[in-house]
Amino acid sequence: DAKTTQPNSMESNEEEPVHLPCNHSTISGTDYIHWYRQLPSQGPEYVIHGLTSNVNNRMASLAIAEDRKSSTLILHRATLRDAAVYYCILILNTDKLIFGTGTRLQVFP
Amino acid sequence: NAGVMQNPRHLVRRRGQEARLRCSPMKGHSHVYWYRQLPEEGLKFMVYLQKENIIDESGMPKERFSAEFPKEGPSILRIQQVVRGDSAAYFCASSPSYGRDNLYGYTFGSGTRLTVV
Repeated sequence: DAKTTQPNSMESNEEEPVHLPCNHSTISGTDYIHWYRQLPSQGPEYVIHGLTSNVNNRMASLAIAEDRKSSTLILHRATLRDAAVYYCILILNTDKLIFGTGTRLQVFP
Repeated sequence: NAGVMQNPRHLVRRRGQEARLRCSPMKGHSHVYWYRQLPEEGLKFMVYLQKENIIDESGMPKERFSAEFPKEGPSILRIQQVVRGDSAAYFCASSPSYGRDNLYGYTFGSGTRLTVV
């Protein structure tokens, strides 16, 4: 499975936008880019996914670079409830999620 | 529409006992995945099942661990003769078909926290 690289941690203030980067330089043409987050003591939660085009949903936006070697998860207005570990994951036809270490997001009031 | 249901939420077993973890996928979901998360670590894939079939068990330890997803009823992750190193949170996820392009991704349960004493 293709590997992703994310910063270990990031910080934000409440109500500010947050851009969480992910590098995936070995991505192949049919790898889907998925983002999940895990709040303390909970199971992972689906955030968003995409293949080539930018995506928006009620939780976040996903910006995918033209060469697909990187992507950015955008939280438009961070809240305290957004404090979690965010995982960027590539999925090919193996159809299973391989989690990395993720980015721990801290949100300050 | 209930989400993925895992039970029990907490399970305590003595060394050498058996642990059975249950996962009921979301209604209409036929694909089930099990993951293990050791304290302060990331989630590790264990096994991927469809109804009555094991599709990928590349992450399962070779001994003492087994999984099933029968035609009727929940998926079961079974750990025989538990040891202290099996203490972890075990998460189950489900998807209706191929989760990589499913509209809502994979849905995870809240997990079972196994403690071996």
